[in-house]
Amino acid sequence: AQKVTQAQTEISVVEKEDVTLDCVYETRDTTYYLFWYKQPPSGELVFLIRRNSFDEQNEISGRYSWNFQKSTSSFNFTITASQVVDSAVYFCALSEGSSNTGKLIFGQGTTLQVKP
Amino acid sequence: DSGVTQTPKHLITATGQRVTLRCSPRSGDLSVYWYQQSLDQGLQFLIQYYNGEERAKGNILERFSAQQFPDLHSELNLSSLELGDSALYFCASSVVGTGITDTQYFGPGTRLTVL
Repeated sequence: AQKVTQAQTEISVVEKEDVTLDCVYETRDTTYYLFWYKQPPSGELVFLIRRNSFDEQNEISGRYSWNFQKSTSSFNFTITASQVVDSAVYFCALSEGSSNTGKLIFGQGTTLQVKP
Repeated sequence: DSGVTQTPKHLITATGQRVTLRCSPRSGDLSVYWYQQSLDQGLQFLIQYYNGEERAKGNILERFSAQQFPDLHSELNLSSLELGDSALYFCASSVVGTGITDTQYFGPGTRLTVL
């Protein structure tokens, strides 16, 4: 069965520290897609990244980077030099290619608090 | 701003009542998805519509129904409301969402409180 696990419920760091949010997924599909979304205190869900199962290249976008490892079924997210504005709940999500729809299966989320 | 709009932003109602949540997708998007976010269940997929047709169903209660209209906006109807239906309801849209997995962009959500 498909599943996304974000084992870290809450993380607290001091500004400028680096922080990694873990995401482990389970799927039997060979074609699947992984996503990260950010939910700031205002409540909306903001798309950060989409990665398909055939592309294991790591990606960097400014202070954000993502490490996708199929061997360990992980898609971890690192924020470098964290800032107070990074404080939010971060969700990892999975969409299976065999479902033929785009429905997302979300992890439970990791609450990140960045203190000044 | 994702381009997805949801109304109302907040809704407070009583048990047993019926409410309608409305969503307008981004311009050009054909698929609309509804998700429920609650403290105990997390973010759960409810239902997807593609170009007016139901495409996929998740953990949606029989008391809940949805539809997508010819102008592609969607409504989620919740009836016989219970305290446990209190949650944040998100609508998302994507260009296609069927046959391929494209990115879903989420609206700001409707916070439903059932008293």
